[in-house]
Amino acid sequence: GENVEQHPSTLSVQEGDSAVIKCTYSDSASNYFPWYKQELGKRPQLIIDIRSNVGEKKDQRIAVTLNKTAKHFSLHITETQPEDSAVYFCAASRASGGSYIPTFGRGTSLIVHP
Amino acid sequence: KAGVTQTPRYLIKTRGQQVTLSCSPISGHRSVSWYQQTPGQGLQFLFEYFSETQRNKGNFPGRFSGRQFSNSRSEMNVSTLELGDSALYLCASSLTSGETQYFGPGTRLLVL
Repeated sequence: GENVEQHPSTLSVQEGDSAVIKCTYSDSASNYFPWYKQELGKRPQLIIDIRSNVGEKKDQRIAVTLNKTAKHFSLHITETQPEDSAVYFCAASRASGGSYIPTFGRGTSLIVHP
Repeated sequence: KAGVTQTPRYLIKTRGQQVTLSCSPISGHRSVSWYQQTPGQGLQFLFEYFSETQRNKGNFPGRFSGRQFSNSRSEMNVSTLELGDSALYLCASSLTSGETQYFGPGTRLLVL
């Protein structure tokens, strides 16, 4: 089955710095890669996603890059703000039966210091 | 639009009991997925339903089951509860394909 490794497990940055979280996956059949943000005590929220036919996607301060050959994808947050502090999860999903089966990374706790 | 709702929000059960959790998706969403979240194993996919049919299933024992109703509301059931079933159970809905999922607040289950 799919295996997703996510690094680092904890990331501490100063406000205004950039943050990068990396994930690797093992199943070449995975073709949909969402990223979720989960604040303490709250539900996960999709913040950005990318499909395997795209190498990069950007949404304001957030960007995701995908390298299918190397089987890794990364989340980039620029100009970090204290409200970016949360746990971020990546997922690698493969299509099955008209839907997707996701495998999640273990999460990265991002701490942005004011 | 109202978001995904889950009931109950908190539940305490004892080993051997069974439990049923409920999820109401966003209006118009027909796909409902269930996840288990624990500190040890992280977020794990349980199963996904679409049009009252289970489309996909994760690697969980048969004690975990679910169903979906014609109004897209979904329930999951765990029978013969074990201590290790203590977790936050999240459901998520999407329009049809399982992409762009919106999560509910979760049901926190504690098994004693």
